Amino acid sequence: EDQVTQSPEALRLQEGESSSLNCSYTVSGLRGLFWYRQDPGKGPEFLFTLYSAGEEKEKERLKATLTKKESFLHITAPKPEDSATYLCAVDTGRRALTFGSGTRLQVQP
Amino acid sequence: GAVVSQHPSWVICKSGTSVKIECRSLDFQATTMFWYRQFPKQSLMLMATSNEGSKATYEQGVEKDKFLINHASLTLSTLTVTSAHPEDSSFYICSAPDRGQETQYFGPGTRLLVL
Repeated sequence: EDQVTQSPEALRLQEGESSSLNCSYTVSGLRGLFWYRQDPGKGPEFLFTLYSAGEEKEKERLKATLTKKESFLHITAPKPEDSATYLCAVDTGRRALTFGSGTRLQVQP
Repeated sequence: GAVVSQHPSWVICKSGTSVKIECRSLDFQATTMFWYRQFPKQSLMLMATSNEGSKATYEQGVEKDKFLINHASLTLSTLTVTSAHPEDSSFYICSAPDRGQETQYFGPGTRLLVL
């Protein structure tokens, strides 16, 4: 059974304090690993797709990396507007996504 | 990026009534769409896969007679919650992959409250 585990469950940072979120996965075959941002009461907003170990992608203060067992979402010098729940999900070829439980990030000014 | 819309954004209904939720891909065609459900402080759980021109496929434990899915066109899928009960209260979100199926775009979600 495909499993996606995210840690920590919640993270509180001061503005400007860089950190990383972890997503570990156990799947039969990885077609793609996705990162989404979700604000309260809204649908997930697409951030990145990673396909193979060693791949990295960046967008503003966010950088996503992928290994054969896990992915990291690095947040550099976060701002309060980066506060959200960050979701990791995998596509194992079904096209439907299996999600982790998410990391709730709070960035304090 | 591609846009997926949902209607309504929230609905309150009495127990026993049926509720229809629409999911539209606004600027691309989607032969497949997915319906997810999210309970408070939990992650998204796949309910079913909506296929244009054929029957939907449901995940284990999801009642197909309770959650009716119709993929009427290449841009519209509907989810009907029949005879809704309070335990069906949840946040329902649809998604659609883009043409290359590299990215899935999600709708804004529909909050259902059954009294």
